[in-house]
Amino acid sequence: NAGVTQTPKFRILKIGQSMTLQCTQDMNHNYMYWYRQDPGMGLKLIYYSVGAGITDKGEVPNGYNVSRSTTEDFPLRLELAAPSQTSVYFCASSSSSFNQPQHFGDGTRLSIL
Amino acid sequence: AQKVTQAQTEISVVEKEDVTLDCVYETRDTTYYLFWYKQPPSGELVFLIRRNSFDEQNEISGRYSWNFQKSTSSFNFTITASQVVDSAVYFCALSPLGLSGANSKLTFGKGITLSVRP
Repeated sequence: NAGVTQTPKFRILKIGQSMTLQCTQDMNHNYMYWYRQDPGMGLKLIYYSVGAGITDKGEVPNGYNVSRSTTEDFPLRLELAAPSQTSVYFCASSSSSFNQPQHFGDGTRLSIL
Repeated sequence: AQKVTQAQTEISVVEKEDVTLDCVYETRDTTYYLFWYKQPPSGELVFLIRRNSFDEQNEISGRYSWNFQKSTSSFNFTITASQVVDSAVYFCALSPLGLSGANSKLTFGKGITLSVRP
């Protein structure tokens, strides 16, 4: 059982470039999330989705976009990369709500230079 | 709004010592859930426990135990006879019970880095 799979694991981008972080889960979970983790700051919610076709902003959505065309996939898009987006990004999923335990992917370490 | 405070940022112990990780939370909601997650050096976050606000019974799972005290808004985590494999960052988190997403989102503390030396 793969759980939540994120790709890539590492990436270096130049300022202004764009990229998509991929996330897929095989647990048939309705809820999916994107977080960023900055050193000493815990995790901040970027976007979340409660089901296919439904997405909403979290605490720090600026500079990011998401889509949820299927239950399994929840890609995160950076359109114009900025140094402030250097971070570790985690995708997670839960069965029915924020109140359920979340299952996390291994993370994507992204550097913007 | 809710807040989770993990005042300890780094703790270092010698193997076999007991260690307690503190978590204090703030919320106006009467019904909520508390969580602990572990992030080992490999980077992934692993769910450890969930408690709801109506259940103040302490929980023990092997060497791990959790003490939930509503009166002091605390949900502390104790590792007994620590081992090197316990070295990780530990996050406490809070989620109010809610029907809509944004109002019940998970709020994380900043994490406590635990180092267990052999």
